[in-house]
Amino acid sequence: DIQMTQSPSSLSASVGDRVTITCRASQSISSYLNWYQQKPGKAPKLLIYAASNLQSGVPSRFSGSRSGTDFTLTISSLQPEDFATYYCQQSFTTLWTFGHGTKVEIK
Amino acid sequence: EVQLVESGGGLVQPGRSLGLSCIASGFTFGDYTMSWVRQAPGKWLEWVGFIRRKDHGATTEYAASVNGRFTISRDDSKSIAYLQMNSLRTEDAAVYYCARGGITMGHFVLDLWGQGTLVTVSS
Repeated sequence: DIQMTQSPSSLSASVGDRVTITCRASQSISSYLNWYQQKPGKAPKLLIYAASNLQSGVPSRFSGSRSGTDFTLTISSLQPEDFATYYCQQSFTTLWTFGHGTKVEIK
Repeated sequence: EVQLVESGGGLVQPGRSLGLSCIASGFTFGDYTMSWVRQAPGKWLEWVGFIRRKDHGATTEYAASVNGRFTISRDDSKSIAYLQMNSLRTEDAAVYYCARGGITMGHFVLDLWGQGTLVTVSS
């Protein structure tokens, strides 16, 4: 199975901060990488697909990028509603896998 | 309204079986792959498996942790996806989410999720 390693596992940031979350795949997955946001007690929500494409309705402060097997989710200016846990997910193989999440907390 | 609603969760003893349902509405169910994802208390998301569209054979794929014990099926006439869980273990305890697998730019995405149903495995 392809392993997805997210870092950091958690971070503290303030409103207005630029936040970067990284996800590394254990092997090449091309751009078959999606990002999801999950708030406590809620279902996940798709943010970014195919590494860098913004899902409809998602604010433009969210962006994604790829460099080889490293993927980055960036929030350009953190808003109060962005405090949540973020997960990457690969769909390169038929056995999908998620990263273990990055919790973004209020500083 | 476009939505997925799971049901069937509850308390079950180790070694027993439990079936979950996911009722879809507001979209053409048969056009989508349907997936199940679970989340143990305080833990991360874990993909469980999916079932492809009927025109792709309605074939299934499963995570290694559930392969051979769990079965996903679908009834397109009723817009329902099912997850049959057999030989349950304590480590299967989780919130189980049903999610719609859409294809965008040739990439599978889980673009619609249910609210989840809690499965507790305990004696």
